[in-house]
Amino acid sequence: GIQVEQSPPDLILQEGANSTLRCNFSDSVNNLQWFHQNPWGQLINLFYIPSGTKQNGRLSATTVATERYSLLYISSSQTTDSGVYFCAVVSGDMRFGAGTRLTVKP
Amino acid sequence: DSGVTQTPKHLITATGQRVTLRCSPRSGDLSVYWYQQSLDQGLQFLIQYYNGEERAKGNILERFSAQQFPDLHSELNLSSLELGDSALYFCASSAPRQGGSTTDTQYFGPGTRLTVL
Repeated sequence: GIQVEQSPPDLILQEGANSTLRCNFSDSVNNLQWFHQNPWGQLINLFYIPSGTKQNGRLSATTVATERYSLLYISSSQTTDSGVYFCAVVSGDMRFGAGTRLTVKP
Repeated sequence: DSGVTQTPKHLITATGQRVTLRCSPRSGDLSVYWYQQSLDQGLQFLIQYYNGEERAKGNILERFSAQQFPDLHSELNLSSLELGDSALYFCASSAPRQGGSTTDTQYFGPGTRLTVL
């Protein structure tokens, strides 16, 4: 089946810094989504982005389907951005990456 | 608050037992999704229903089954439980678009934490 790899596995930032999270996938996909799981376990669907670029406030995502990767940008990070960020791809079935754990320090 | 409710919040049971997890989607949402999150396997998509019909199937074991009822709530039944079934089970719902698919924005419930002893 399709492989999904996220990097880095862990990221620690100071509040106000910018960051880029990456998601590589091994085959063509029908769609790709980014999710955030906050430290209390709540999951939030951030973006549905099979290709192109989308922005929502301080977050934006870009997927280059032909090169099989997606990037999630977080600008001016805040402590509330802490948690784990997952990408998930759909190619037949839906597969999640292992996530990037982001810690934003005040 | 996402508008998706899941009951119970916590469930502790023994190996070999059977449990039922319940999910009520957001008002108006026709699609319901089930996910499992465990330390070993990470996040896994289990199954999706759309307006009572199974729409997509993921890594759902044969010991597990789900259904969506006419009032659109859904239940996930887990039987012959094993230690490895201990996990957080999430339900999500989404509004229909082109018949509903795994591409729609999903709203997640708080999860049910299952512990199998």
